[in-house]
Amino acid sequence: AQSVSQHNHHVILSEAASLELGCNYSYGGTVNLFWYVQYPGQHLQLLLKYFSGDPLVKGIKGFEAEFIKSKFSFNLRKPSVQWSDTAEYFCAVKFSSASKIIFGSGTRLSIRP
Amino acid sequence: SQTIHQWPATLVQPVGSPLSLECTVEGTSNPNLYWYRQAAGRGLQLLFYSVGIGQISSEVPQNLSASRPQDRQFILSSKKLLLSDSGFYLCASLRQVAGELFFGEGSRLTVL
Repeated sequence: AQSVSQHNHHVILSEAASLELGCNYSYGGTVNLFWYVQYPGQHLQLLLKYFSGDPLVKGIKGFEAEFIKSKFSFNLRKPSVQWSDTAEYFCAVKFSSASKIIFGSGTRLSIRP
Repeated sequence: SQTIHQWPATLVQPVGSPLSLECTVEGTSNPNLYWYRQAAGRGLQLLFYSVGIGQISSEVPQNLSASRPQDRQFILSSKKLLLSDSGFYLCASLRQVAGELFFGEGSRLTVL
């Protein structure tokens, strides 16, 4: 069955630390990949997306993600986090065989000032 | 631009009562529509999605159902609510050109 996994449930970092959040999916076909962010008390917003082409995609607020097809992964990275990055981050995958879009369970990121 | 209207925004219902949450999309035609439930620590759980009028795909067996009576209307229903149905329900539309999901404001359901 198609699934999306985010193994880091809660990550705590200090400001200026580097960030990498993992996302893996199970499916052998073509996928579209997304990272969404939900700041406290706010709605989901898109950070970045990958459809095709360069597997390293850049998004808003200094975030980037790399699609590694052989590892079925789409990890989110940021070289230096800020306190304002405190939020919950969701990986999502659109599976080409259907129109379903499945989200991971989310990773809560807490930044110590 | 595309907008999604969800109502009601908040709902408190007793166990065993029926449910109807409505979602209407404006600014697009023939969208793919989705119902998700968001619960703490569980992310967004896909409940139903629809690629057209009358076409519903169910992802999770449960006492909820969905219908799409019109192109831009998506309804989530239940005949008898359970305590476990409490949660935050989000309707989403797939932006055809951008290829990303666009979310409504959500409906918070509390079942007592």
